[in-house]
Amino acid sequence: KAGVTQTPRYLIKTRGQQVTLSCSPISGHRSVSWYQQTPGQGLQFLFEYFSETQRNKGNFPGRFSGRQFSNSRSEMNVSTLELGDSALYLCASSLEVAGANVLTFGAGSRLTVL
Amino acid sequence: DAKTTQPNSMESNEEEPVHLPCNHSTISGTDYIHWYRQLPSQGPEYVIHGLTSNVNNRMASLAIAEDRKSSTLILHRATLRDAAVYYCILRGYNAGNMLTFGGGTRLMVKP
Repeated sequence: KAGVTQTPRYLIKTRGQQVTLSCSPISGHRSVSWYQQTPGQGLQFLFEYFSETQRNKGNFPGRFSGRQFSNSRSEMNVSTLELGDSALYLCASSLEVAGANVLTFGAGSRLTVL
Repeated sequence: DAKTTQPNSMESNEEEPVHLPCNHSTISGTDYIHWYRQLPSQGPEYVIHGLTSNVNNRMASLAIAEDRKSSTLILHRATLRDAAVYYCILRGYNAGNMLTFGGGTRLMVKP
């Protein structure tokens, strides 16, 4: 079956712009979570959605937002981009959210802010 | 989430077993132990998980100490493709998918 699909894979923006990243989870998965990966901070949790509701949010400023649609697809948006937002943004999906549940990650969207 | 401690890096020879340790002394009774790995230029990939008993799957084995304060991921025969960063993560039973990744262990495999 198809894996987690993230688009676009690569993008370049300038400071002050905004960006929207898309994630299509594995068919049937209802939970989508987002992570930011940078060389300095490693992998950090952004937010998590389950059945269109945000369940958890990481320690990121309000410029970072997301949503989930009724078909479980998810988008995240970063407004007023800063140089420090340059990172690999990873999306992961799972069937549910129990502790034994396994996450399947996409290949990520690499954002460069100039 | 409880914290895990892993060595920054380890080296192995190809086709030899590799034991990747993880300490989690503050683990709670309902925390699952998960291992993910991240190959270069890819997203993390699930490897194995367990609660109390040792676990085996086609990728690896997970050995969990009796007191659950440490665990070891075992790759039975390392290949060059196993070169990756390995993350040991604790997940509470109802913690959702908010995973706390530490620095992980960078495994280098020598031919």
